[in-house]
Amino acid sequence: DSGVTQTPKHLITATGQRVTLRCSPRSGDLSVYWYQQSLDQGLQFLIQYYNGEERAKGNILERFSAQQFPDLHSELNLSSLELGDSALYFCASSVSGTGDGYTFGSGTRLTVV
Amino acid sequence: AQSVAQPEDQVNVAEGNPLTVKCTYSVSGNPYLFWYVQYPNRGLQFLLKYITGDNLVKGSYGFEAEFNKSQTSFHLKKPSALVSDSALYFCAVRDIFLTGGGNKLTFGTGTQLKVEL
Repeated sequence: DSGVTQTPKHLITATGQRVTLRCSPRSGDLSVYWYQQSLDQGLQFLIQYYNGEERAKGNILERFSAQQFPDLHSELNLSSLELGDSALYFCASSVSGTGDGYTFGSGTRLTVV
Repeated sequence: AQSVAQPEDQVNVAEGNPLTVKCTYSVSGNPYLFWYVQYPNRGLQFLLKYITGDNLVKGSYGFEAEFNKSQTSFHLKKPSALVSDSALYFCAVRDIFLTGGGNKLTFGTGTQLKVEL
């Protein structure tokens, strides 16, 4: 157990729907990162939050949004889902915002049908 | 932007033999380099990192990596492979965003390691 908790582990939903993925970082970690892993795109960075504030944005679609709450857990919202959004979504956390160490959760596997 | 390349999609090695998984990097400034392993249907597990210091970095499960600045490489090695080492290995580099102060990991495409009896 890495200490980073992601729920749910699996999610199956229909096209056009909206889902929320949740991540609880390791105790004491202030930064949360979201990544998408797919067969064709590999591991892609989506977004970083540090202590509640957005710090960096990657190739995140406008249909996707995220936030980090005061208790430091984070949620990734995916809306108007398309078949191509099917992927493994990882959350990672780190103590600082400088990126000298990242701990990953076990991921949420999203299947859009 | 920083990047890493993993030139081999798959590496096959016999159990007990030494293994090497290759990674080269392209960065401006001093690199922060990482190796992660992914088992089927599992998350990414941290193996080791290089930030500064000795060029030979020792990590988890008997793995080590050698940072070579002149060859811009950071190859992962293990003296004696186990069947249980069979997994997908990712090399990654930290990338910093000039605006906002954020950072991310940029991953290579991954190398599937297969260790056979």
